[in-house]
Amino acid sequence: QITLKESGPTLVKPTQTLTLTCTFSGFSLSTSGVGVGWIRQPPGKALEWLALIYWNDDKRYSPSLKSRLTITKDTSKNQVVLTMTNMDPVDTATYYCAHSLAARSNWFDPWGQGTLVTVSS
Amino acid sequence: SYELTQPPSVSVSPGQTARITCSGDALPKQYAYWYQQKPGQAPVLVIYKDSERPSGIPERFSGSSSGTTVTLTISGVQAEDEADYYCQSADSSGTLVFGGGTKLTVL
Repeated sequence: QITLKESGPTLVKPTQTLTLTCTFSGFSLSTSGVGVGWIRQPPGKALEWLALIYWNDDKRYSPSLKSRLTITKDTSKNQVVLTMTNMDPVDTATYYCAHSLAARSNWFDPWGQGTLVTVSS
Repeated sequence: SYELTQPPSVSVSPGQTARITCSGDALPKQYAYWYQQKPGQAPVLVIYKDSERPSGIPERFSGSSSGTTVTLTISGVQAEDEADYYCQSADSSGTLVFGGGTKLTVL
């Protein structure tokens, strides 16, 4: 059974850097074809893909946020870390991590429970 | 930037068939995926690679593709199917994108 869980601060101040950790079990991020992605959802709004890291350490980012995002993995700890710099109130959202596989493009299954991050001074 | 277009809302009565569409220029060359999200919960994959159904998803959920439009069909809608539904795909460069979501209301 694959499970994922997000952890990190619930409140950050504007201009600060957000660091979120996704801790997973039930799969290995060293297995060919496997990835972990981050997706966020502002309150009452749609899902937005942020970043994806593959088993081979290939990394993909949303073009609109690429300059602010960094995704890394620690295979031995079964963790993926997302950092987002220069946080703004518009970044207030529930942040999800998800297991990902690819066939032409990636899909996400399953997802973690999500963690709500509020950006406010 | 690439966009996937969904209707904001769809309403059906119990037992009827609900169809939710998702349009995008790259859909003829990229697979589409569908997620169900109930209030306060994380999204759940209900269709992958246009029309494949993950294990544990009821048979009443199906997907189809025609040109630049993909469709999620829920046959014999039940009250428990009331949720937000999101399509997801990729553009020609591989950038992943979600649709704006469709709220399914079971009358």
